[in-house]
Amino acid sequence: DGGITQSPKYLFRKEGQNVTLSCEQNLNHDAMYWYRQDPGQGLRLIYYSQIVNDFQKGDIAEGYSVSREKKESFPLTVTSAQKNPTAFYLCASMKGMNTGELFFGEGSRLTVL
Amino acid sequence: AQSVTQLGSHVSVSEGALVLLRCNYSSSVPPYLFWYVQYPNQGLQLLLKYTSAATLVKGINGFEAEFKKSETSFHLTKPSAHMSDAAEYFCAVSAYYGNNRLAFGKGNQVVVIP
Repeated sequence: DGGITQSPKYLFRKEGQNVTLSCEQNLNHDAMYWYRQDPGQGLRLIYYSQIVNDFQKGDIAEGYSVSREKKESFPLTVTSAQKNPTAFYLCASMKGMNTGELFFGEGSRLTVL
Repeated sequence: AQSVTQLGSHVSVSEGALVLLRCNYSSSVPPYLFWYVQYPNQGLQLLLKYTSAATLVKGINGFEAEFKKSETSFHLTKPSAHMSDAAEYFCAVSAYYGNNRLAFGKGNQVVVIP
């Protein structure tokens, strides 16, 4: 079955360490997204990519980096510059162009100790 | 820029009663509007969407929403709540002419009381 796979599901990190969250999709979707979810704040867009080798900053890109070398993959790195990285991270892809129909992975929960 | 407002972060409803979740949007161009649902520790899934066809949109699990341009609203309803409806619900908006981005509301956590 097609879908989006995020890994790891749970991750613990010490302060000052970078960590990379994986996102893979086999839906053949062009656009992919990373959102951060905090209680009571909804989803906030970190980065998105509409085609391979191109990506744009979202609303809260500081302290994060991404790459899009393959259509299927859109990894997110949470760097030590991110001041408050503990959160639930969601990866998504969009069906078609500007349909708004997002398909989400099951998320990765990052905890900084 | 587009945005949505969802009031009342927590909504309690009795089993069998009407579920009503309010969403008001702001958009300088004709919008696409969406409701997504999230179960605990999972990603979101699309409940229903409005894309300028019928103003009354039916979705999965018995939910429906009505687009009212004059009120800039897209409220979600279900006539009779079921225990399985306990989840978080998000309203979202994107621009009809497309920047391929959605703006999400802050969500409503629905609790169903037996």
